[in-house]
Order: sequence, then structure tokens, then C-alpha cells
Amino acid sequence: DIQMTQSPSSVSASVGDRVTITCRASQGISSWLAWYQQKPGKAPKLLIYAASSLQSGVPSRFSGSGSGTDFTLTISSLQPEDFATYYCQQANSFPSFGQGTRLEIK
Amino acid sequence: EVQLVESGGGLVQPGGSLRLSCAASGFTFSSYEMNWVRQAPGKGLEWVSYISSSGSTIYYADSVKGRFTISRDNAKNSLYLQMNSLRAEDTAVYYCARDWGGGTVTPDYFDYWGQGTLVTVSS
Repeated sequence: DIQMTQSPSSVSASVGDRVTITCRASQGISSWLAWYQQKPGKAPKLLIYAASSLQSGVPSRFSGSGSGTDFTLTISSLQPEDFATYYCQQANSFPSFGQGTRLEIK
Repeated sequence: EVQLVESGGGLVQPGGSLRLSCAASGFTFSSYEMNWVRQAPGKGLEWVSYISSSGSTIYYADSVKGRFTISRDNAKNSLYLQMNSLRAEDTAVYYCARDWGGGTVTPDYFDYWGQGTLVTVSS
């Protein structure tokens, strides 16, 4: 099984800040990686797939990069609606998710 | 508009059974692979099961293999999850999620999710 590890587990930031979240896979997954945003009581929302492709309708302030084992999600300028929990997910084998990164308002 | 609506959750005793349903609309259901993903209270996401568009290919997470059965009825635009021998650790919100993006007959990414249905396993 492929283990996904996100860091940090939580981060505090302000509106307008640039934030980066990291995801590391326990073995190489090429570019088979997605990022999701989840708000309390809601279903996850797909933001990025194939490591760097922006899902339709997702604002361009979200971007993804990486391949192999190390990946990042960057939010270029935080907006109030971006405060949520973010998960990475590998699709190289049976899906597995990172433990989540909670993005909180400073 | 794509909609996925789960139902069938509730309180069940350990060892009991429950059948979840997911009603799909707004897209050609028979053309898409589907998945179940769960989330224990306050915890992260866990993929549970996958079914191909025709229903001919099925996969399960090790944690549910032999106890859960995924199925679909393309004529009714519906996805199902039969859960037997339930355990306390199966307590979670269960989401149905449309599979998308990989171009392979395996679980890939999940582009649409239902609102979830809560399953609580407790005596």
C-alpha cells in the first residue's frame, strides 16, 4: 500500500497570504496525484488532478506541482473561502489519501 | 447538473447489515465508473470500493473485503453498497463519488461527490 503524508497538519494564515502544502508518497506515483478541499459538513471538492491540472471551475490561485514522491499545493493569495481542510490522494494504485492539512485563519 | 444522493445510513448493531444507495442524475450514469469513499467522524478520507461502468470490474479496500459488496443498476441510475458483518470501525460518513480522469479501468480521481450518509455501528 502507498502511504501519503502531508505537511504541515495545520497552518494558520491571513487573507492575501501565499500558502504551500506538501504531500509525500511512500513510493513513486509518477503524476497520479489529486488535491481536494473539504469544508466542515461538506463533501470534498476536486481542485487539482494529475499533479498540476486545474479542475474546471477552480480559481487559478490554486496550483499543483511535483512528480514521483513529492508534491505541493500552492494557494497564491488566500481568500476567505479558502479556509478549509486539504487532502492529497494518489491514484497510482488503489487510492489512498493524506491525513489532511487544516488551513485556519490567523 | 450532476447530482449524487446517498441514502440508507443509520444506526446498526455490531455484526449487523445495512444497504446504502446512491441515486445519480445529470449525467450518463452507465458511462462512468463509481466509487464509495468513507470518512470516520473527525478523521480523514478512506477509499472503500470501485465498480466499472458495466459492473464487470470491482475492487475493494482490504478493510472491507469479504464483508462489503458494491453493485450498480444502470437502468435505475443507482449505485449500491451492501455492508455485512459491520464493526464499530465502519462508523463513518459514506460518500458515493464519480470516478474521473484516469482513462483506466481502475479507481482514479473523484470529480463529483454526494452529500454523504452516516453509518453508526454501535450497541
